[in-house]
Amino acid sequence: DAGVIQSPRHEVTEMGQEVTLRCKPISGHDYLFWYRQTMMRGLELLIYFNNNVPIDDSGMPEDRFSAKMPNASFSTLKIQPSEPRDSAVYFCASSLVGRGSYNEQFFGPGTRLTVL
Amino acid sequence: DAKTTQPNSMESNEEEPVHLPCNHSTISGTDYIHWYRQLPSQGPEYVIHGLTSNVNNRMASLAIAEDRKSSTLILHRATLRDAAVYYCILWDFNKFYFGSGTKLNVKP
Repeated sequence: DAGVIQSPRHEVTEMGQEVTLRCKPISGHDYLFWYRQTMMRGLELLIYFNNNVPIDDSGMPEDRFSAKMPNASFSTLKIQPSEPRDSAVYFCASSLVGRGSYNEQFFGPGTRLTVL
Repeated sequence: DAKTTQPNSMESNEEEPVHLPCNHSTISGTDYIHWYRQLPSQGPEYVIHGLTSNVNNRMASLAIAEDRKSSTLILHRATLRDAAVYYCILWDFNKFYFGSGTKLNVKP
């Protein structure tokens, strides 16, 4: 298994531009998570999906951020318009969770976003 | 939100045991204790988890206090590859809260 795949690995854009980050979860996993990591705030959960349905988006910072999961093998995180304070590493993770079980989330390599 | 408290950093010598503490005084009866670690320039990875009893796996051991208000991750023989940020997380079947973690430095 290739693990969680994210693209692009690095993105440099200018303020005001639209940015789309992509994620392919591990096949068979039914949960998908988007995290953001910065030095100031650490690792923050933005949104997570269960069976392609958004369950909790309370971590999404503002309306400029949106996430979709059109099918079980693909998700996007979009920022429009982007701002310099959005610069961070964005991680996608997936897991297969059962009640009464543990939660092993498998993380992708991350996308390092720089907004100039 | 379930909260954990960890030291910001710790240092260990190579091939010596390391005990990474975590306090979680507000833990509820159904919260699972998870440990993840993040190697430099990588995403976090699962290390171990537990509920009430001590746990062992190939990577580490997890010692859980009887009142469950604290736990300790034990690396039996630290290697240079174990240098990472270690996160103690309480999972309430909802969301993970990673906190700031403990940065472990391993000296050769």
